[in-house]
Amino acid sequence: NAGVMQNPRHLVRRRGQEARLRCSPVKGHSHVYWYRQLPEEGLKFMVYLQKENIIDESGMPKERFSAEFPKEGPSILRIQQVVRGDSAAYFCASSREGGRSYEQYFGPGTRLTVT
Amino acid sequence: DAKTTQPPSMDCAEGRAANLPCNHSTISGNEYVYWYRQIHSQGPQYIIHGLKNNETNEMASLIITEDRKSSTLILPHATLRDTAVYYCIVRADLNTGNQFYFGTGTSLTVIP
Repeated sequence: NAGVMQNPRHLVRRRGQEARLRCSPVKGHSHVYWYRQLPEEGLKFMVYLQKENIIDESGMPKERFSAEFPKEGPSILRIQQVVRGDSAAYFCASSREGGRSYEQYFGPGTRLTVT
Repeated sequence: DAKTTQPPSMDCAEGRAANLPCNHSTISGNEYVYWYRQIHSQGPQYIIHGLKNNETNEMASLIITEDRKSSTLILPHATLRDTAVYYCIVRADLNTGNQFYFGTGTSLTVIP
């Protein structure tokens, strides 16, 4: 029973490049959440998606960041024109249904370093 | 969601019980108390949650005061692998918008 998978685990980008982070939820889960963790800080919610729909993107910066969860394939968090401040660990979580919050399973994270 | 207050760090001797406190004095009636932990560099791991009754599972026990303004997570026999940051989160169990708001948590160090 595979858990949440994220790739790549480590990503290095130069300033101005694009970063694409992928998240494959637990099989059968249709809800995906993205969080960002800056060094020495707690996780901060970014966006909540269901298949083909963005439900809540209140935590996501208005510019350069976008997320999708297509009908087929993994969820993608895309950061355009990365800056040094985007360096962080990005965690994806999934749940089977939105009403059961405690069933949120987290992936191992993608560590983005912007040079 | 109600704000929580946790001590920034704690130590516990291996084999002893670790008691991690959390204050949530502004909690409302429909809000649950959740505990997650994050072992270094890994994704958060669900531990336990409760509304007003004490809860126990294979990992831990959760004691919630009668007025629900505070709670304690108990790891009955701490091991070195329990060294982690523990997050106490209070939120309503809604059908939409199920994100968690993580604070800075308590960094627990289990000492041999």
